[in-house]
Amino acid sequence: DAKTTQPTSMDCAEGRAANLPCNHSTISGNEYVYWYRQIHSQGPQYIIHGLKNNETNEMASLIITEDRKSSTLILPHATLRDTAVYYCIVRVETSGSRLTFGEGTQLTVNP
Amino acid sequence: ETGVTQTPRHLVMGMTNKKSLKCEQHLGHNAMYWYKQSAKKPLELMFVYNFKEQTENNSVPSRFSPECPNSSHLFLHLHTLQPEDSALYLCASSQAKQGAREKLFFGSGTQLSVL
Repeated sequence: DAKTTQPTSMDCAEGRAANLPCNHSTISGNEYVYWYRQIHSQGPQYIIHGLKNNETNEMASLIITEDRKSSTLILPHATLRDTAVYYCIVRVETSGSRLTFGEGTQLTVNP
Repeated sequence: ETGVTQTPRHLVMGMTNKKSLKCEQHLGHNAMYWYKQSAKKPLELMFVYNFKEQTENNSVPSRFSPECPNSSHLFLHLHTLQPEDSALYLCASSQAKQGAREKLFFGSGTQLSVL
């Protein structure tokens, strides 16, 4: 599975959009981009995933660049409850159940 | 509520004790996992079970012994642990055989302290 690079930490004002970047320059054509988040003292929570096209759900939007070497997770209106560590993970179609977590980005939403 | 329940939430044990962590999922999934998260470190995959069969063991010491009696329940039996085994132990489940579209659902974890 391709390696990802994320900033260690980011801050965002409550009510503003939070844009979390992820670099995955070695991504292969059959690798998906996943985002999970982990609120303190809880288990990780699935947010969204995509292959080539931009995706949106009730939690967030995922923007993947045309060359697929980077992506951005967007939380359109961040709240204090969005403070968490956000993990960007790339995963091969055939890798089955393995999900490898890196260090992630600590997002702090400030009042 | 994720549909994955772990008990106990907190556990303190001595190095000579034997204890077990329990995980139960109510999602109808057929794959279950144990992850370990030490302080300031990424999550580490420990064991994977698919349809009750262990399919992955990431070189975990034998003092950790998993058990999966059915697709809904997963245990982690602990004996003669070391202080460095203190960590958050997370259970997860998923619907297997979906490749990269498979999503994991995690429990809240058991915070283990070994004295």
